[in-house]
Amino acid sequence: AQKITQTQPGMFVQEKEAVTLDCTYDTSDQSYGLFWYKQPSSGEMIFLIYQGSYDEQNATEGRYSLNFQKARKSANLVISASQLGDSAMYFCAMREVNSGGSNYKLTFGKGTLLTVNP
Amino acid sequence: GAGVSQSPSNKVTEKGKDVELRCDPISGHTALYWYRQSLGQGLEFLIYFQGNSAPDKSGLPSDRFSAERTGGSVSTLTIQRTQQEDSAVYLCASSLGGGLGSTEAFFGQGTRLTVV
Repeated sequence: AQKITQTQPGMFVQEKEAVTLDCTYDTSDQSYGLFWYKQPSSGEMIFLIYQGSYDEQNATEGRYSLNFQKARKSANLVISASQLGDSAMYFCAMREVNSGGSNYKLTFGKGTLLTVNP
Repeated sequence: GAGVSQSPSNKVTEKGKDVELRCDPISGHTALYWYRQSLGQGLEFLIYFQGNSAPDKSGLPSDRFSAERTGGSVSTLTIQRTQQEDSAVYLCASSLGGGLGSTEAFFGQGTRLTVV
């Protein structure tokens, strides 16, 4: 079973508008962490935002916010006021505990390609 | 250096040859991850190290793939008898700890492997 599901292979947004990128996850752990990364065409992986499973408030980092709905196991990324430079691949990832607490594997979704139109 | 360093940045090899890919993590980072990314695709998990031990090797696609880490630092991913389907970008990442805190993984620039 997929641990991380990103159902939108591609998304388009107009410059200056907000966009939501979907992410759902599957875990039986109570304690886990969720991450979003950006990968522009240059190929580098850029960390954007983190949400811990016990965090009661949604994480925010500048124009990025994470809409965390624990009961639904979703961790959607919201980008406000999109810019042309936001065009990139976006990956959702989860770190959970396996094997008696010794394995903190970091698993990624397949990504969403965001295109910001002028 | 300040970041995760991978070498070589590009490698072209003939089918059937062995290759070694190197990752030098950020100093002090105990967790190290290897991923494979095919063109336009997501990150396929290969192996995870905590210190020198590998609690999770579940992503290694076949016994032609192996990895080691020494001194809690440098890691080498070895692919024996390379096949054309091994062509991909191999990404290495490290993080401060293997715990669940907001210790994000920092990525290297990757090694682009082409098997001809």
